[in-house]
Amino acid sequence: KQEVTQIPAALSVPEGENLVLNCSFTDSAIYNLQWFRQDPGKGLTSLLLIQSSQREQTSGRLNASLDKSSGRSTLYIAASQPGDSATYLCAVDTSYGKLTFGQGTILTVHP
Amino acid sequence: DVKVTQSSRYLVKRTGEKVFLECVQDMDHENMFWYRQDPGLGLRLIYFSYDVKMKEKGDIPEGYSVSREKKERFSLILESASTNQTSMYLCASSFGYSGNTIYFGEGSWLTVV
Repeated sequence: KQEVTQIPAALSVPEGENLVLNCSFTDSAIYNLQWFRQDPGKGLTSLLLIQSSQREQTSGRLNASLDKSSGRSTLYIAASQPGDSATYLCAVDTSYGKLTFGQGTILTVHP
Repeated sequence: DVKVTQSSRYLVKRTGEKVFLECVQDMDHENMFWYRQDPGLGLRLIYFSYDVKMKEKGDIPEGYSVSREKKERFSLILESASTNQTSMYLCASSFGYSGNTIYFGEGSWLTVV
């Protein structure tokens, strides 16, 4: 059974820092990996999707990498801002968009 | 922009009631999903539908059923609500077999008393 782990569980950084969130998964038979953002009490917003054949994806200050063979992904956030404060979730797609999620990393960026 | 709309944001129901959670998407997506999210347990898939009238159980289907009579609408049904079904319920949709972005609704907070 696929298991997804995110480290750290929580992270607090000052504004302007570059930071890395980690995600690992146990079964490399995935179609893609997605990173989501969730604000308190809200739904999930897709940030980046990396297909299984890709190594990385970038969107603005966000960069996500995927090493499928080792079962790892990282989300890099450059020049963090207080508005980046949220829970970040990674999820792997095993078929038809059925996702297995990690527990998330709660990020706080303080001014 | 893709829009996934969950009709009720907050519901309070009594134990034993039949509860309907409705979800509508406006992008002609084939796939629709219901997840629940609980502290410490994360998001877990309840049911999945890959076409009209087609459904597949997820990881935690017990106590739930679903209905998909039209492509844009996917309903989650709690046949007899219990307190352990108090949770945040999230609907999602996506296009095609795989490899496409999945879009989530804002969530429905259900409290069963």
